[in-house]
Amino acid sequence: QSALTQPASVSGSPGQSITISCIGTSSDIGSYNHVSWYQQDPGNAPKLIISDVSDRPSGVSSRFSGSKSGNTASLTISGLRAEDESHYFCSSYTSRSGLEVVFGGGTKLTVL
Amino acid sequence: QVQLVQSGAEVKKPGASVKVACETSGYSLSSYAIYWVRQAPGQRLEWMGWLNADSGNTRYSQKFQGRVTFSRDTSAKTVYMDLSSLRSEDTAVYFCARDRRIMISGVKSDYYYGLDVWGQGTSVTVSS
Repeated sequence: QSALTQPASVSGSPGQSITISCIGTSSDIGSYNHVSWYQQDPGNAPKLIISDVSDRPSGVSSRFSGSKSGNTASLTISGLRAEDESHYFCSSYTSRSGLEVVFGGGTKLTVL
Repeated sequence: QVQLVQSGAEVKKPGASVKVACETSGYSLSSYAIYWVRQAPGQRLEWMGWLNADSGNTRYSQKFQGRVTFSRDTSAKTVYMDLSSLRSEDTAVYFCARDRRIMISGVKSDYYYGLDVWGQGTSVTVSS
């Protein structure tokens, strides 16, 4: 299955900002503004934190922001806090035949 | 509050079928589509398809076409995922999740807008 590419891990110190990249293709991120980001702790269901590239659902901290350039989407977390340590993964609408949604492999964020 | 509560863990033999239930509450079932996504151990999430909870229309990933069936019981406010001809590679946690976008006149939007409410997941183990 076609997939999005994320770094396996990123880290940062409290108060810093980090950015997680999500590389797709012209069949998904490059052609559509339907990119979502999720936060997931082990054993739990994912939580939607960004939709449509940069929209934050109600209740999600403004420290989370999303953007896109070409085939790459990015999630930025500013003012890192210990509670941000989690797994983050991206997803996108895709026009590839037989599919509608593709996911990234996930990025483990460690707050040092 | 809006909630999706899934049925409990299942252990199945290869070749068998499994039916996972996703009970909804706190909103009108017929106003949203329900997606099904699975996560095999150590693997990325995988889109299986969606169900228009108003019309009952479905769209399945080509990978699962012919083996998966989504259905709903509107009186029970519950959506179901049936997966047949199970093999070891189907061992995974299966999630139902609500489409973020409300349907207008029962028509699901053409695109994917994100999934705003998730069930807790159902572990399905396929082993002889």
